[in-house]
Parts: sequence; structure tokens; C-alpha cells
Amino acid sequence: DTAVSQTPKYLVTQMGNDKSIKCEQNLGHDTMYWYKQDSKKFLKIMFSYNNKELIINETVPNRFSPKSPDKAHLNLHINSLELGDSAVYFCASGPRELTSGGYNEQFFGPGTRLTVL
Amino acid sequence: KQEVTQIPAALSVPEGENLVLNCSFTDSAIYNLQWFRQDPGKGLTSLLLIQSSQREQTSGRLNASLDKSSGRSTLYIAASQPGDSATYLCAVTGGFKTIFGAGTRLFVKA
Repeated sequence: DTAVSQTPKYLVTQMGNDKSIKCEQNLGHDTMYWYKQDSKKFLKIMFSYNNKELIINETVPNRFSPKSPDKAHLNLHINSLELGDSAVYFCASGPRELTSGGYNEQFFGPGTRLTVL
Repeated sequence: KQEVTQIPAALSVPEGENLVLNCSFTDSAIYNLQWFRQDPGKGLTSLLLIQSSQREQTSGRLNASLDKSSGRSTLYIAASQPGDSATYLCAVTGGFKTIFGAGTRLFVKA
């Protein structure tokens, strides 16, 4: 199946722990993103990578560190988890960088529901 | 700063009705606008993408229009079905980011 996949689907952990979420896309896209959907279901972009290079880094605490080992993967590592980090995290990909215009449809993964206790 | 608003926040209609969901944005300097569907506890499914140079896109019973100058897009759903029940999100891409609206929660009654 061609898609954007994320693991794990659910993550329950204690405050202060460090955790990682993995994302892979097999659509051959150049750009990948991390979004956060909070308890009010509002989606906000966190990071954007184009060809393994960081393009967007929104006002996200530096406890969040994305890593892109190659074009098809964008992982999210979170240090010292806090209660407020509880949310659903979505990975997405698109064919090209956001500013390049053109047909730039974004495809989303199924999400990772993070619960910090 | 781009702001995206979706009206109404929630909508309940009987099956078979045609309906319109609205999305407005404050900065007309956009590259594209994309409509998504999100089912409870699920990811986002892309429905339609309209590039800034286009006026509308159609897919099956869905038709999305874009009026960049007035900062508006509409998603028209024809002959609604219970399976259309979901949250519909519009996302505007401009500058270096994509901004989402808060969504319209649609319930189609059988």
C-alpha cells in the first residue's frame, strides 16, 4: 500500500520520560511534516522537512526534535514529556516544498495519540 | 498573519440534502487550499485541492470553489449520505506554512 505510516498508534507514558514517534512515506515525496492536534481538535504545523532539510520550525519547545534520516522518513523525538504534550501527532507528506507552488497535495498518516500521565 | 475560519462549526442535515460548508481566510496570498475529511479517531483524508490559479475542483459528489480575492472557499456536497458524517477541515497554504481551520462537524441523519 502506498501511504504515510506512523508508529506507534498509541503512546501512554509518564511525565519526564523521553519518547519517539516514527513516520515513513512511500509516496516518493520530497517534503514531510509533523502536525499536532490538540484536545480541541485544532491542527497546527510543527515542522516541515524538504529533502531531509528543516524548512519550518514553528514555536515548538526545543524538547521536540525531528530527525530525517532520509527523504522517506521523519521521526519525532520528545524529551522530558509534559502533561501539555498530550495530543494526537500527525505526520504528513507532500510532493514538494510548500513555497514551490504547483499541485502540492498533502497526505496524512493515521496519527499517534500521545497521553502523558 | 493568516487566519482560517470555518462556518458553521457543526451541521446536522437529513439524508439526501445538498449542503455547503464555508471556509474563509484573511490573507489572499496563498498557493493552494485543500479540503480534508476526518473521521472520529482517524487521520485526515484528502478530498480536494484547489491551486491558487483555479476556481473550482470536482470529485464525485463534491465540488470545491475558491475565490482568492474575497478569501473564501466553499465545499458543496450533493445528495448527502450518512457515510458523509465526519469533520471537514480546510487548510490554506501560503508563505512557509499550512494553516488549518477548526473544522465543520457534519452529521447526516438517515
